[in-house]
Amino acid sequence: ETGVTQTPRHLVMGMTNKKSLKCEQHLGHNAMYWYKQSAKKPLELMFVYNFKEQTENNSVPSRFSPECPNSSHLFLHLHTLQPEDSALYLCASRDPNYGYTFGSGTRLTVV
Amino acid sequence: AQKITQTQPGMFVQEKEAVTLDCTYDTSDPSYGLFWYKQPSSGEMIFLIYQGSYDQQNATEGRYSLNFQKARKSANLVISASQLGDSAMYFCAMREGASGYGGSQGNLIFGKGTKLSVKP
Repeated sequence: ETGVTQTPRHLVMGMTNKKSLKCEQHLGHNAMYWYKQSAKKPLELMFVYNFKEQTENNSVPSRFSPECPNSSHLFLHLHTLQPEDSALYLCASRDPNYGYTFGSGTRLTVV
Repeated sequence: AQKITQTQPGMFVQEKEAVTLDCTYDTSDPSYGLFWYKQPSSGEMIFLIYQGSYDQQNATEGRYSLNFQKARKSANLVISASQLGDSAMYFCAMREGASGYGGSQGNLIFGKGTKLSVKP
């Protein structure tokens, strides 16, 4: 257990479904991240939040909608996804003194 | 342009032997940090070792050491005395703009990874 918890661990959804991924950390970190990991590609940074404010959107399609209600929770809302969106979605948090901590990821399959 | 290059898609090593995983990077920023992560099949990214661009000595953490050659922009990971549990994907990553371990600037940029398999 790293201190960053992601749920669910696995998710299968249809292209017309709406689902949400959840990330939770109680490490007192102020920055949170969503990364996408597709097969045979480097991890791609999607979104960055600092003190609940989105500070970076790395040209992510609008079918991915992040939400950060407080510094401990980060969501990724999904709707009308495509099969190519199937990937491992990793959440990370960061504290200036302690670097990055990653969760175990949500393995998403879009059918 | 690719900022982090890992040229070895897969590597095999015999148990108890040492192995070197290659990583080269590209940046014009004098201040940066280099990270290595291990990702087992469970998916979690596990931090292994960190090297700051201004660090004078190569970083070491237990069986892990980082062979930092700044002029060549190389940051190879050396794992000594390999164990079966070392079998996993290994990722090199860089953060520009801050050489401290935490750092308040820059985001992590990852390479494509190297799959290490340890043979008994």
